[in-house]
Amino acid sequence: QSALTQPASVSGSPGQSITISCSGTSSDVGGYNYVSWYQQHPGKAPKLIIYDVRDRPSGVSNRFSGSKSGNTASLTISGLQAEDEADYYCSSCSSGSITVLFGGGTRLTVL
Amino acid sequence: QVQLQESGPGLLKPSQTLSLICAVSGDSISRDNYYWSWIRQSPGKGLEWIGCIFDRGSTYYNPSLKSRLTISEDMSKNQFSLKLSSVTVADSAMYFCARTRGAFYYNSGTFYYYYIDVWGKGTAVTVSS
Repeated sequence: QSALTQPASVSGSPGQSITISCSGTSSDVGGYNYVSWYQQHPGKAPKLIIYDVRDRPSGVSNRFSGSKSGNTASLTISGLQAEDEADYYCSSCSSGSITVLFGGGTRLTVL
Repeated sequence: QVQLQESGPGLLKPSQTLSLICAVSGDSISRDNYYWSWIRQSPGKGLEWIGCIFDRGSTYYNPSLKSRLTISEDMSKNQFSLKLSSVTVADSAMYFCARTRGAFYYNSGTFYYYYIDVWGKGTAVTVSS
C-alpha cells in the first residue's frame, strides 16, 4: 500500500478534462507545497509534469495543471489527447521517517 | 541537455550484492543544491525512493533500506553508484537514477524533497535463485 492514495484508473474521451486526486496527510501533502506529478508511458522513465503543487517545467503543455486543498492534491488534464494515455504518479515531501513519498499511480485511458 | 544512464548486472542470486552505476552527462554531480538519487519501481510496490548523495559525499537513505545500502560517487568520472547487500526476490525492480531538487539542513539532519527533474531510462534487476 502506497503512502499517498490515488485512484487506480481514470478515463476520458478526447477533448474532455479529467482530474486525478492524490490524498495524503498533514505530514506530507497538507504540510508542504512540495507536491509533484509525473507522467510515465509504458517502458519509459517517469517525466516531471508538475512541481511545487502547480508549476510546470519548461516544455510541458499548459493542458496540465495542479492544485491542492488540505491534504489532497489534484492533477487536471484538459483537452485530452491520445498521447496523454499513460500512468500518472504524485509525490510529496514528508516529515515522516521516509521523506520522499509516491502515490500508487493512476492509469489514464483515453477512450 | 542533462542525461543520466544506469548500468549494472540485470540478474543476481539471493544474498548477493547489487551494484549499479549512474553516469551523468550535461551536469556536474558536484553542483550545489542538487541531489543525486536512486529510485526503484516494482509491480508490487510502485515507486520507492532509495536514497541520494549530495554536497560532495553526504548521503540520505530510506530508513527501510539503510542497513543494506551504500551510495557513493566518483567525481572524476561524474558518476554515482548504488550498492545494496543481501538482496532478496523483493529487491527485483526497475532501478532509476535521477537528479533531485531539495534542501538538506545539517543542523537538524532534515532533508526536504522538492521534485525529481531528470530521470535515467532505468535498468531492470531480477533476483532469482
